[in-house]
Amino acid sequence: AQTVTQSQPEMSVQEAETVTLSCTYDTSESDYYLFWYKQPPSRQMILVIRQEAYKQQNATENRFSVNFQKAAKSFSLKISDSQLGDAAMYFCAYRSLDSNYQLIWGAGTKLIIKP
Amino acid sequence: ETGVTQSPTHLIKTRGQQVTLRCSSQSGHNTVSWYQQALGQGPQFIFQYYREEENGRGNFPPRFSGLQFPNYSSELNVNALELDDSALYLCASSSNQGQDSYEQYFGPGTRLTVT
Repeated sequence: AQTVTQSQPEMSVQEAETVTLSCTYDTSESDYYLFWYKQPPSRQMILVIRQEAYKQQNATENRFSVNFQKAAKSFSLKISDSQLGDAAMYFCAYRSLDSNYQLIWGAGTKLIIKP
Repeated sequence: ETGVTQSPTHLIKTRGQQVTLRCSSQSGHNTVSWYQQALGQGPQFIFQYYREEENGRGNFPPRFSGLQFPNYSSELNVNALELDDSALYLCASSSNQGQDSYEQYFGPGTRLTVT
């Protein structure tokens, strides 16, 4: 069975600085998807970025980028130029390519932005 | 384009009671997944519905059941409520067609408290 581990329960960063959130996972599959979701106090999960395992190039979305190390089963999220609106819980999630496409989630990292 | 909606926003039930949570999928989506998110944890997959049939189930007992309707909206039913059922219940819709096929879009959740 696949598992996702986020070892940082909480991280803090100064506004405008860069922060990296860590995620490791375990799987025997060779092809899969990895995601970072953001959950603000409003509770709604918002997709931040997605990475296909077969792609070697790291995904980027504006200020958000990932460092995907397939052999090490590591998938970290880098947030550049942190903004107050980035404060939220961040969840790493894994998805197989099987028939039901369920997401397997880490426990989350609470990101605090210091003004 | 209408997003995923859930009702009610929050509710309080007594142990042993039954509850029904509702989810309207995003326009054009034919698949609905339900997740349970206990306080301070990542979501756990309950089950998924596609074309009105269950299409995968997580490690939840049979007292968790669901329905999907012809308009792709869905219900989550929980019988014989237990204190540990207190959680945020998230609904996510997705489509098996198009560029973002299988991407899951989340609703704001229903906060269930069992006393």
